[in-house]
Amino acid sequence: AQSVTQLDSQVPVFEEAPVELRCNYSSSVSVYLFWYVQYPNQGLQLLLKYLSGSTLVKGINGFEAEFNKSQTSFHLRKPSVHISDTAEYFCAVNNDYKLSFGAGTTVTVRA
Amino acid sequence: DTGVSQDPRHKITKRGQNVTFRCDPISEHNRLYWYRQTLGQGPEFLTYFQNEAQLEKSRLLSDRFSAERPKGSFSTLEIQRTEQGDSAMYLCASSEGLAGSDTQYFGPGTRLTVL
Repeated sequence: AQSVTQLDSQVPVFEEAPVELRCNYSSSVSVYLFWYVQYPNQGLQLLLKYLSGSTLVKGINGFEAEFNKSQTSFHLRKPSVHISDTAEYFCAVNNDYKLSFGAGTTVTVRA
Repeated sequence: DTGVSQDPRHKITKRGQNVTFRCDPISEHNRLYWYRQTLGQGPEFLTYFQNEAQLEKSRLLSDRFSAERPKGSFSTLEIQRTEQGDSAMYLCASSEGLAGSDTQYFGPGTRLTVL
């Protein structure tokens, strides 16, 4: 079965600084990869997804991710974060019909 | 389109009681999924429906858990004889098509606390 590993459990960052959240996946076949964000006491919202084609994927709220097949990675980046980006971020891989999630990365943005 | 809705948002119950959660997917979405999320972890797959048919159940879903999706619309998840280990956030999601690439849209979740 496919799985993902999020390498950082917590990432503190100052406002307007860049942030990178790391995600590695394991799979021997083609994959569909997703990044979701979860704000406190809310469900998950899709930030972006990689299906095929260009390895640089742009999402909502200024986020982007790069798919790297040789390194089996799908890292999420934002060049300048805002206080409102404080949330938990989940990387996920699609196992046929169901999603397998990483343990999540908590991003705390400080002024 | 109002998104995926779940009811109730919070449920506190005593050990041994039965609880039922409801999920209303986005209209016309064929697939409906249930996940469970415990503190500090990512969501874990429980089960999913394609229209009214329940196509797979995770090993996480013990015999005390049952899910239905009558008429392929809303879904219910029932937990019988709740245990403290059932305390978690229960998330529902739906997707429009049948492809693995389809986006799953999540509801706000039902937070269950078993005392």
